[in-house]
Amino acid sequence: DQQVKQNSPSLSVQEGRISILNCDYTNSMFDYFLWYKKYPAEGPTFLISISSIKDKNEDGRFTVFLNKSAKHLSLHIVPSQPGDSAVYFCAASEGGGADGLTFGKGTHLIIQP
Amino acid sequence: DAMVIQNPRYQVTQFGKPVTLSCSQTLNHNVMYWYQQKSSQAPKLLFHYYDKDFNNEADTPDNFQSRRPNTSFCFLDIRSPGLGDAAMYLCATSRVGEGSQPQHFGDGTRLSIL
Repeated sequence: DQQVKQNSPSLSVQEGRISILNCDYTNSMFDYFLWYKKYPAEGPTFLISISSIKDKNEDGRFTVFLNKSAKHLSLHIVPSQPGDSAVYFCAASEGGGADGLTFGKGTHLIIQP
Repeated sequence: DAMVIQNPRYQVTQFGKPVTLSCSQTLNHNVMYWYQQKSSQAPKLLFHYYDKDFNNEADTPDNFQSRRPNTSFCFLDIRSPGLGDAAMYLCATSRVGEGSQPQHFGDGTRLSIL
């Protein structure tokens, strides 16, 4: 029973264009959402997060949008750069406490020159 | 740089032979987590320590145990590894008590079972 779903295993985007990665969740108790970036042979690196009290959070080229009614969030990267090629994981948690994260399976983003 | 360090990066063990993976942190975070990630799958939480309190996930096999002798170190013990335990094991830390905070991950230990 996957509570966090990333339905696109891979995404190819041209350098300079916008990359949009999507994530859906089923657990209405989730109130904190994160995106992690992972290069091969490295651990996930925190990218950006959003609390359920917000619908948008922006950090430089990265923006996360949250649609609570649709239980959907997305990560926008603009403009996309070659160094953005990586696997992106969507994750969620409840309550901001010590509980662990529930991850999606990831989307492999490939930025083409 | 403050960080989460996992040793070793690669571990090979024999079927049924106990193995221990280690994690240390210099972030002074009060929570440490262990995740298992199999190929093309989502990382899955095994258990976590909140200070000295151990919290096991309901579906974590009994084969897996953990120790946290102090704030900085946490160990994952696999008592009798089976072929299905071959995976990447990720350690993470976070600071709880200051609102929602992200978890910080180490680079993982890739475990192979012969």
